Amino acid sequence: SQELEQSPQSLIVQEGKNLTINCTSSKTLYGLYWYKQKYGEGLIFLMMLQKGGEEKSHEKITAKLDEKKQQSSLHITASQPSHAGIYLCGADTRGNTGKLIFGQGTTLQVKP
Amino acid sequence: NAGVTQTPKFQVLKTGQSMTLQCAQDMNHEYMSWYRQDPGMGLRLIHYSVGAGITDQGEVPNGYNVSRSTTEDFPLRLLSAAPSQTSVYFCASRPKRDRFQPQHFGDGTRLSIL
Repeated sequence: SQELEQSPQSLIVQEGKNLTINCTSSKTLYGLYWYKQKYGEGLIFLMMLQKGGEEKSHEKITAKLDEKKQQSSLHITASQPSHAGIYLCGADTRGNTGKLIFGQGTTLQVKP
Repeated sequence: NAGVTQTPKFQVLKTGQSMTLQCAQDMNHEYMSWYRQDPGMGLRLIHYSVGAGITDQGEVPNGYNVSRSTTEDFPLRLLSAAPSQTSVYFCASRPKRDRFQPQHFGDGTRLSIL
């Protein structure tokens, strides 16, 4: 089983709707990273969360970290077609080793 | 800055052939990693390096070799390609300084083994 579980695995939403993607770890989180990937391209760094309760926002995307639950959520407000892609959470669960493990990804489609 | 550069972008191999995927970064990052991405499985760590001359295995190292002779380069070698190694390969780097730094990814190499 995966150390990092993302849900849902895929999501289709109507443009303008809000959505949430969750990332749950089976081990202690030392840092949680969110990336976005467009089909056929590399990964683009979105946000990093270090501390429990931390919340960061960039444009219409907000990420939160619940340290006790070992879970992070990514919330998109008023989705747009430009938000479509694969969202991946990554975590360093073994301290500052430079090794990241990733969830299986959430594929988001936004219908105009 | 070019960031993390991977070559080639696409490659088709026959079973049993060998090849090297190249990865170079110009950011003087100590940490470098290789991942493979397969449908429904996210990214899985193959090998990583914390500096020149130091490498270690990740989650799925079998069938792959790496070496790190310089800070800039971290090539991934497939000694005898197998169809199960058909995948998209990503190289990433990050600085060692500070505890939490995001990894910078290359654009990937799409590899098909026939």
